[in-house]
Amino acid sequence: QITLKESGPTLVKPTQTLTLTCTLSGVSVSTSGVAVAWIRQPPGRALEWLALISWDDDDRYSPNLRRRLTITKDTSKNQVVLTMTNMDPADTGTYYCAHRNYYASGSPLRTYDYWGQGTPVTVSS
Amino acid sequence: DIVMTQTSLSSPVILGQPASISCRSSESLVHSDGGTHLSWFQQRPGQPPRLLLYRISNRFSGVPDRFSGSGAGTEFTLKISRVEAEDVGVYYCMQGTQFPHTFGQGTKLEIK
Repeated sequence: QITLKESGPTLVKPTQTLTLTCTLSGVSVSTSGVAVAWIRQPPGRALEWLALISWDDDDRYSPNLRRRLTITKDTSKNQVVLTMTNMDPADTGTYYCAHRNYYASGSPLRTYDYWGQGTPVTVSS
Repeated sequence: DIVMTQTSLSSPVILGQPASISCRSSESLVHSDGGTHLSWFQQRPGQPPRLLLYRISNRFSGVPDRFSGSGAGTEFTLKISRVEAEDVGVYYCMQGTQFPHTFGQGTKLEIK
């Protein structure tokens, strides 16, 4: 059974750097085909894809946020970490990590099959 | 970025009646691997998104067969054959063909 759990601060001040951790169970972040993405959701609004890192360290970012984001993985802890610099109140929302396995079905799978419960982040002074 | 646009449901849906949600992409979602990577997610109140369908019409594990998907290229539809109370929530389409992956704005399903 694959599970993901997000952790990090619930409150950050404007201009600070946010660091979020996604801990996976039931699957290794270094398994061929596995990728983990971060997706956020402002209160009452739609989902926004932020970044993704694959088993082979290939990483992708939202162009709009590229300068502020860094995604890394720690295979020894089976974790994926997202850092976002220069936080602003507009970054307030729930942050989710989500799993993808490119080889999960007979054909390439380019979607997210398992999600964490999300972690709320408020940006306020 | 590929823009995903969803339709709104015009009114609450009566229990047991069908519902249909449309999603349009600003570009074709056909990937060079031959697949069309359009997914549908359900988000119940207070819950994370849940994968319903991938590659247009493939139901994910545990998803009831009253959920189905269709479409091609840039036009896609999610259909619920008989709406149940547990289907209340917001439905999102997502394209996984091109980075950045993008979601529609969501369509809220309410029950009458």
